[in-house]
Amino acid sequence: DAGVIQSPRHEVTEMGQEVTLRCKPISGHNSLFWYRQTMMRGLELLIYFNNNVPIDDSGMPEDRFSAKMPNASFSTLKIQPSEPRDSAVYFCASSLDRAFFGQGTRLTVV
Amino acid sequence: KNEVEQSPQNLTAQEGEFITINCSYSVGISALHWLQQHPGGGIVSLFMLSSGKKKHGRLIATINIQEKHSSLHITASHPRDSAVYICAVDYNTDKLIFGTGTRLQVFP
Repeated sequence: DAGVIQSPRHEVTEMGQEVTLRCKPISGHNSLFWYRQTMMRGLELLIYFNNNVPIDDSGMPEDRFSAKMPNASFSTLKIQPSEPRDSAVYFCASSLDRAFFGQGTRLTVV
Repeated sequence: KNEVEQSPQNLTAQEGEFITINCSYSVGISALHWLQQHPGGGIVSLFMLSSGKKKHGRLIATINIQEKHSSLHITASHPRDSAVYICAVDYNTDKLIFGTGTRLQVFP
């Protein structure tokens, strides 16, 4: 299995632009998580899905952030409009009994 | 107050030394994870524990449920062990709460 696959690995965008991060979980995993990592706040859970249904999105910082999981093999995290303070590494993880992380997407908003 | 406390925050060691990283949490959990984040950013899950002790190569993880405490040990440390080690707990909610991480540097 290729593991959790995230794309893109790096994204640089201008303030105000829409950003879409993508995640392909490990096949057979029933939970998917989006995390954000910054120097100031460490790793934070943004939202998680169980069987494609959003269970807890209390970590989503603002309405500018939205996440979808249209099927068991794909999820997106969208930021619209993006702001410089959104610059961070965004991780996707999936789990059945143990969490496996993707390599992350480093987002820079200038 | 973070629900998951790690110590130390930073740790330096000479190659070959025995390393211990500690993690404390506040209430009952269903599982505790130890994660390793390499300088390049990728995160690897090392262990998932709900009781007792697990060993993988030079890495040993223990958990004491009564004391709400876990330790990660590295025997015969090596420069390639340099990374950030993160403790994360699952409070029966199917989501992880992370500690702040321990940055380990092992010098030759």
